Amino acid sequence: DAGITQSPRYKITETGRQVTLMCHQTWSHSYMFWYRQDLGHGLRLIYYSAAADITDKGEVPDGYVVSRSKTENFPLTLESATRSQTSVYFCASSSEGRSIQYFGAGTRLSVL
Amino acid sequence: SQQGEEDPQALSIQEGENATMNCSYKTSINNLQWYRQNSGRGLVHLILIRSNEREKHSGRLRVTLDTSKKSSSLLITASRAADTASYFCATDGHSGGSNYKLTFGKGTLLTVNP
Repeated sequence: DAGITQSPRYKITETGRQVTLMCHQTWSHSYMFWYRQDLGHGLRLIYYSAAADITDKGEVPDGYVVSRSKTENFPLTLESATRSQTSVYFCASSSEGRSIQYFGAGTRLSVL
Repeated sequence: SQQGEEDPQALSIQEGENATMNCSYKTSINNLQWYRQNSGRGLVHLILIRSNEREKHSGRLRVTLDTSKKSSSLLITASRAADTASYFCATDGHSGGSNYKLTFGKGTLLTVNP
């Protein structure tokens, strides 16, 4: 089915482990985004990408790594997970010249 | 830092009543958007209003924008229990940014009681 999908939907990991959250979109949108959502903070931008092989930092990039080798995929990696990275992570995409974003269903990550 | 700030943080009304949520922002914008988030789901775009527009309608939604006051309001008329969700405003075109990046507020939690 077309759209934007995130996997896994739920993940429990331990402090210090590497975790990769996946995001895949079928619209060939140029722009992709990763946000984290925490109570009291709303949505905060972690990283974004304007096209394949072009990525840039958002508001809260520390502790995260992204890559975008293909237009449709935008994985987010926590290189060494910390408890403060426990959050709900959302991936979104938008097309060239338009600022409306389309969101995935989210990944709920718990770091123990 | 947050660009948009919604007010109130939470709102509880009865079915059939109107719900009004407000959003204030700090810097100049190209447009302002409203999104809805049902519990446990991703955000869904509702409506976009451009900086040169003052009012926009979409079904039971009415959005106003006052760029002189840097504020917007979202009115949901004749609310239904299914409208229960969190509502976020989002702005783009902020200082130093590009118009494809959005900055979201913290949201208003609307509860519509049957």
